Amino acid sequence: AQSVTQLDSQVPVFEEAPVELRCNYSSSVSVYLFWYVQYPNQGLQLLLKYLSGSTLVKGINGFEAEFNKSQTSFHLRKPSVHISDTAEYFCAVSDSWGKLQFGAGTQVVVTP
Amino acid sequence: GAVVSQHPSWVICKSGTSVKIECRSLDFQATTMFWYRQFPKQSLMLMATSNEGSKATYEQGVEKDKFLINHASLTLSTLTVTSAHPEDSSFYICSAEARSGGAAYEQYFGPGTRLTVT
Repeated sequence: AQSVTQLDSQVPVFEEAPVELRCNYSSSVSVYLFWYVQYPNQGLQLLLKYLSGSTLVKGINGFEAEFNKSQTSFHLRKPSVHISDTAEYFCAVSDSWGKLQFGAGTQVVVTP
Repeated sequence: GAVVSQHPSWVICKSGTSVKIECRSLDFQATTMFWYRQFPKQSLMLMATSNEGSKATYEQGVEKDKFLINHASLTLSTLTVTSAHPEDSSFYICSAEARSGGAAYEQYFGPGTRLTVT
């Protein structure tokens, strides 16, 4: 069985400041890890994914995440946020069968 | 890139009626599609896995007779909410699966359908 824990339900951040969204997972098998962003009343857009290889993954919109197997974490970071980054962010894990298990989500609120 | 559409994007129906939601993969074939439900300010909950040409696999607690899923082709899956009630009001999101390097799969999400039952 797999599970995903997003440690922060809401993260307020000032524009141009850095942000880190925390994600921890548990799984008994090898996993694939994803971060998605959801804007209000929209579906999910993939920010980045870790399948294998380099543990530092770069995604769209300046986001990156680091896979840490020993700490079972996959934290998302952005060095300088914009107002347009205000959204809900979901961490997700899947096994090779493709079923995604989502975290509870982290609401990022960027203020000027 | 892979695009998934949903129709309608928003629907209001009366209690007791049925509503059909379509999910299409526009530029790729998807043997597997997933249906999720999302309540306000909550995460996505997987309802069922839809495989082309076979019966859908429902998650525990999801009524298969209420949420009818049909995956008649490699680009279309439909979710029918039968005898809808106000508690079925939710945001329904589908995704279509595509291989994403090696043995891994990636899901491409539709824009969602907002269902309101009055």
